[in-house]
Amino acid sequence: GNSVTQMEGPVTLSEEAFLTINCTYTATGYPSLFWYVQYPGEGLQLLLKATKADDKGSNKGFEATYRKETTSFHLEKGSVQVSDSAVYFCALKGTNAGKSTFGDGTTLTVKP
Amino acid sequence: KAGVTQTPRYLIKTRGQQVTLSCSPISGHRSVSWYQQTPGQGLQFLFEYFSETQRNKGNFPGRFSGRQFSNSRSEMNVSTLELGDSALYLCASSPDRGYTNYGYTFGSGTRLTVV
Repeated sequence: GNSVTQMEGPVTLSEEAFLTINCTYTATGYPSLFWYVQYPGEGLQLLLKATKADDKGSNKGFEATYRKETTSFHLEKGSVQVSDSAVYFCALKGTNAGKSTFGDGTTLTVKP
Repeated sequence: KAGVTQTPRYLIKTRGQQVTLSCSPISGHRSVSWYQQTPGQGLQFLFEYFSETQRNKGNFPGRFSGRQFSNSRSEMNVSTLELGDSALYLCASSPDRGYTNYGYTFGSGTRLTVV
């Protein structure tokens, strides 16, 4: 079956530091890949997506590139802010489009 | 455009009771999925409805059930509540289950506490 593995957290960074959160996946066929963000007390919000190999998704300074050869979709941001503190989830949606598979989430804390 | 609306936001129930949670998807979205989120298990898929039909079901006992109405609104029901059912229940809508490149729009969730 499909699976998503995220780097374990929590991750603590200083403001303006570079962020990388690793995500690898296992899936048959050609899934679409997503990053979601969850702020305290809220549901998940779609952050960015990529639907085919070598696509780069980007939003709010965050980027991730769909790497089929390494089955990865790492999330990056060049300069994090305190407001980026949240839980980040990597997810895939495969050929069974009615269901997504999520990673365990990575908690990011950014300190001033 | 209104987002995904889940009601109620918070719920406290006693073991053995049953509970019904409601979800109104974004207008025009026909697919509604439900997830259970707990600190230990993360996000676990419950089921997905499309055009009033359950299309996918996760590995949850039969105590968990759901339905979808003709206006795409969905409800999920948990009967004979157990302490382990305490969780955040998230509803997610998307335009059409046939499109893999659409992500979900999630509601804020219903926090269920079973005492």
